[in-house]
Amino acid sequence: DSGVTQTPKHLITATGQRVTLRCSPRSGDLSVYWYQQSLDQGLQFLIQYYNGEERAKGNILERFSAQQFPDLHSELNLSSLELGDSALYFCASSDHEAGTTYEQYFGPGTRLTVT
Amino acid sequence: AQSVTQPDIHITVSEGASLELRCNYSYGATPYLFWYVQSPGQGLQLLLKYFSGDTLVQGIKGFEAEFKRSQSSFNLRKPSVHWSDAAEYFCAVEDSGAGSYQLTFGKGTKLSVIP
Repeated sequence: DSGVTQTPKHLITATGQRVTLRCSPRSGDLSVYWYQQSLDQGLQFLIQYYNGEERAKGNILERFSAQQFPDLHSELNLSSLELGDSALYFCASSDHEAGTTYEQYFGPGTRLTVT
Repeated sequence: AQSVTQPDIHITVSEGASLELRCNYSYGATPYLFWYVQSPGQGLQLLLKYFSGDTLVQGIKGFEAEFKRSQSSFNLRKPSVHWSDAAEYFCAVEDSGAGSYQLTFGKGTKLSVIP
């Protein structure tokens, strides 16, 4: 158990819909990362938040957005869903400061199926 | 931009045999390198990491990896594979620029173990 929790575990929805994925980081971790794992693209970094502020963006679509709340949990919002958005979405957390590197701990993921 | 190549998509070994999974990276500065394992339906578990210092690093479950700067490689090894090692293995490099620490993953190597 990494200490990172994600809900829901599975999500099935229709094209055009909007969903919210939730992540609670390990206790004390200030950084939250979102990754997408799909068969064709592999594991891709989407976005990172650090202590409530957006820190970095990767290959995240404009239809996707995220935020990190004062209690440090994060939500990834996916809208106008398409079949190609079906994937496993991982959240990871870490505790790092500038100049120091720490490993990321991954949650179990949310499997999104768009029909 | 950084990149990670795992040349072997699928490897099959017999239980008790030795294992080496290859990983090559492209990164301008000193790389921070990781190996993660993903069992079916599970999240990503960190096996080991290289930040600096000794180029041979030990990880969990009897795995080790050797960093070779001249070859831009970070190969994962295990002297004797167990059936429970069957999983998918991902090599990753951390982008520590701009305070992000996001991970760039290889496409993964699926390991099958023959009893």
